[in-house]
Amino acid sequence: DAKTTQPPSMDCAEGRAANLPCNHSTISGNEYVYWYRQIHSQGPQYIIHGLKNNETNEMASLIITEDRKSSTLILPHATLRDTAVYYCIASKGYGGSQGNLIFGKGTKLSVKP
Amino acid sequence: SQTIHQWPATLVQPVGSPLSLECTVEGTSNPNLYWYRQAAGRGLQLLFYSVGIGQISSEVPQNLSASRPQDRQFILSSKKLLLSDSGFYLCAWSDPRVTFFGQGTRLTVV
Repeated sequence: DAKTTQPPSMDCAEGRAANLPCNHSTISGNEYVYWYRQIHSQGPQYIIHGLKNNETNEMASLIITEDRKSSTLILPHATLRDTAVYYCIASKGYGGSQGNLIFGKGTKLSVKP
Repeated sequence: SQTIHQWPATLVQPVGSPLSLECTVEGTSNPNLYWYRQAAGRGLQLLFYSVGIGQISSEVPQNLSASRPQDRQFILSSKKLLLSDSGFYLCAWSDPRVTFFGQGTRLTVV
């Protein structure tokens, strides 16, 4: 799986959009970009994933650059409950060992009142 | 909808004691199942994965073993715990594209 690079920490004001960047310059054509978050002492929570096109669900939006070398996760209206460590992962995504998700250190997002 | 249950949430065990952590998945059939471990301040490490009943693959040689006695049940075991087995253990299942995690078990070996 391709390596990803994220800033170690970010702050965001409550109610504002949180934009979390991720670099994955060595991503291969069949690797998806996945985003998870982990609130302290809980299991990672799946947020969103995408291959080429931008994606949106009830939690967030994912913007992938045309060359697929970077992406941005957008939380449109951050709340205090969005404070967590956010992980960006590049993976082929299918099951078995080939679906081994490699979690790096992620970005610690702190949403402040 | 699919749900994953993992228990217990926390566990304190003495060195040399046995371990059994159980995970069950509801709302899907023949899922791929995984056990991960997260040591303090570190990323997740895949320990075992299973693509079907009785089929277990180990990613890292260690003091632990896994079994899948039923389609949606995955068990992590040890005959004798070591101090180094302490950590946050996560069960997960995947559909063809996404992996979903349980809430984890915090194991402290004393």
